[in-house]
Amino acid sequence: SQQGEEDPQALSIQEGENATMNCSYKTSINNLQWYRQNSGRGLVHLILIRSNEREKHSGRLRVTLDTSKKSSSLLITASRAADTASYFCATSSGYALNFGKGTSLLVTP
Amino acid sequence: GAGVSQSPSNKVTEKGKDVELRCDPISGHTALYWYRQRLGQGLEFLIYFQGNSAPDKSGLPSDRFSAERTGESVSTLTIQRTQQEDSAVYLCASSLRRGDQETQYFGPGTRLLVL
Repeated sequence: SQQGEEDPQALSIQEGENATMNCSYKTSINNLQWYRQNSGRGLVHLILIRSNEREKHSGRLRVTLDTSKKSSSLLITASRAADTASYFCATSSGYALNFGKGTSLLVTP
Repeated sequence: GAGVSQSPSNKVTEKGKDVELRCDPISGHTALYWYRQRLGQGLEFLIYFQGNSAPDKSGLPSDRFSAERTGESVSTLTIQRTQQEDSAVYLCASSLRRGDQETQYFGPGTRLLVL
């Protein structure tokens, strides 16, 4: 079942701008992960944040987690055209991942 | 090293035919997962293998779907008597060990179209 829900469904920005995507989930989690998907094919793992963490950075990515609100956000700073992709949050309370429908990000030059 | 590979990349079949999809996980990864992604949707969990343990088949949508894995190597997902609603991208992933702290590495997927 899909637990994570991303918002917005689609986002269009210009290169250099920041992109923020949000994810809400319903039940308790052990961790939350963000993945990126290009052209509807394989997913690439971006970052994992554990339930006892509030913020995590990786390069131009910044992820926050608010377990009291059951929400997470992914911020991509100084976006590039190559960041154009779909971004999914995935929650895990066991071994399988539960994905949302994703946010489709378009970065125009 | 090599990532997860899947074959075929694309498969077009007629309704009612059987199809077999293949996944080669990363060498040494004990856990293997199959997911399905319908157009514009997120991923749906199908089945999970961990070493030689009995697989978790709880996500398989019907008895037309089955999967096998020999040890910690190749896995095949079989769909019998395909239906149009089976059209989707089928993604395989593997991880080093079982556990929700493990990153799952995805293959490029097989795009299945049932006519």
